Amino acid sequence: DAGITQSPRHKVTETGTPVTLRCHQTENHRYMYWYRQDPGHGLRLIHYSYGVKDTDKGEVSDGYSVSRSKTEDFLLTLESATSSQTSVYFCAISVKGATEAFFGQGTRLTVV
Amino acid sequence: KNEVEQSPQNLTAQEGEFITINCSYSVGISALHWLQQHPGGGIVSLFMLSSGKKKHGRLIATINIQEKHSSLHITASHPRDSAVYICAATTGNQFYFGTGTSLTVIP
Repeated sequence: DAGITQSPRHKVTETGTPVTLRCHQTENHRYMYWYRQDPGHGLRLIHYSYGVKDTDKGEVSDGYSVSRSKTEDFLLTLESATSSQTSVYFCAISVKGATEAFFGQGTRLTVV
Repeated sequence: KNEVEQSPQNLTAQEGEFITINCSYSVGISALHWLQQHPGGGIVSLFMLSSGKKKHGRLIATINIQEKHSSLHITASHPRDSAVYICAATTGNQFYFGTGTSLTVIP
């Protein structure tokens, strides 16, 4: 299994609070991605990174920010959580964009 | 409009049946992936292919680049194959995902 770990695995938070999810890899892969998975929508890209301090927005980036200060860590922050951000969040890594991706176990976030 | 469309959305089969899941895509791709997700679980990559056919155990994946179509076949299906199967197309730096096919195999 690829070395990719998401934390926390489950979180319940209140509306309006900031939340940070962490993705940690031990593979030294260049690309890292954050997706959210919702019924009927499949996986949708929030943000991705193609190197340290190099990030770009995905199709559902509003309300989210990311940071990548080290190759191994990619953080996803919800500045002020809303109920619409209740979802399962997946991190993925790949050597380069068009190659095989490895996924984390997911983080189930509930905003109440 | 989804760049990747899967069918069927839901599929129930008897143990031992041959199963086919289809994926059509509209973008120019560098590779096509098949992923598996068990209930409440993570996502596992089954295949990555850019042409032809690949086989792993009872799973077979095919792709027709001209028709922009891929299929995932499961031979001699088993209850442990019950999962969501997701098709994903890669182009450039990004993946485009289908909404998944939920497969239930009944003993």
